[in-house]
Amino acid sequence: AQSVSQHNHHVILSEAASLELGCNYSYGGTVNLFWYVQYPGQHLQLLLKYFSGDPLVKGIKGFEAEFIKSKFSFNLRKPSVQWSDTAEYFCAVTSSGGYNKLIFGAGTRLAVHP
Amino acid sequence: DTGVSQNPRHKITKRGQNVTFRCDPISEHNRLYWYRQTLGQGPEFLTYFQNEAQLEKSRLLSDRFSAERPKGSFSTLEIQRTEQGDSAMYLCASSHPGTYNTGELFFGEGSRLTVL
Repeated sequence: AQSVSQHNHHVILSEAASLELGCNYSYGGTVNLFWYVQYPGQHLQLLLKYFSGDPLVKGIKGFEAEFIKSKFSFNLRKPSVQWSDTAEYFCAVTSSGGYNKLIFGAGTRLAVHP
Repeated sequence: DTGVSQNPRHKITKRGQNVTFRCDPISEHNRLYWYRQTLGQGPEFLTYFQNEAQLEKSRLLSDRFSAERPKGSFSTLEIQRTEQGDSAMYLCASSHPGTYNTGELFFGEGSRLTVL
């Protein structure tokens, strides 16, 4: 069965620090990969997605993620975080041909201090 | 607001009572999904509809749970004889034909259930 593992449950950073959140998935076939974000008091929303092509994908608000197939990883990065990036971040996967449901990781709660 | 709408946002009930949640998807979104999120976990898939047809159900959806989408628009999720383990956030999401092959979902703000 597919699964998603997020390495850090809580991350605390100061503004301007660099961010990298780890995500590994288990599935041997072709996958689509996502990062969703949930800001305090708001709904889950898509941050970025990977389907095919360039393994380095760019999303909103300066976030990017790199798909490394050999490592089954899809880590999220941002060179310089802001206080407004405080949120919970979820990595998710859906298999090619199984587009009907996303499998989510447990999430990483990011707190950015001014 | 033209996003996914869920009601009620919060529900507190006693064990053994029935509860019903409603989800209004974004207009013209043919697919509708229910997820459950417990504390410290990511959302877990429960079921999904394409129009009025319920096409997949998770094993998490016990026989106390029933979901409907009678006219292919709004959906309801009913939990009968609630148990404390049902306490969770119930999320609804929808998607439109342009994103069927991408898995991209549009989520509502959720309905939080607390079973005492």
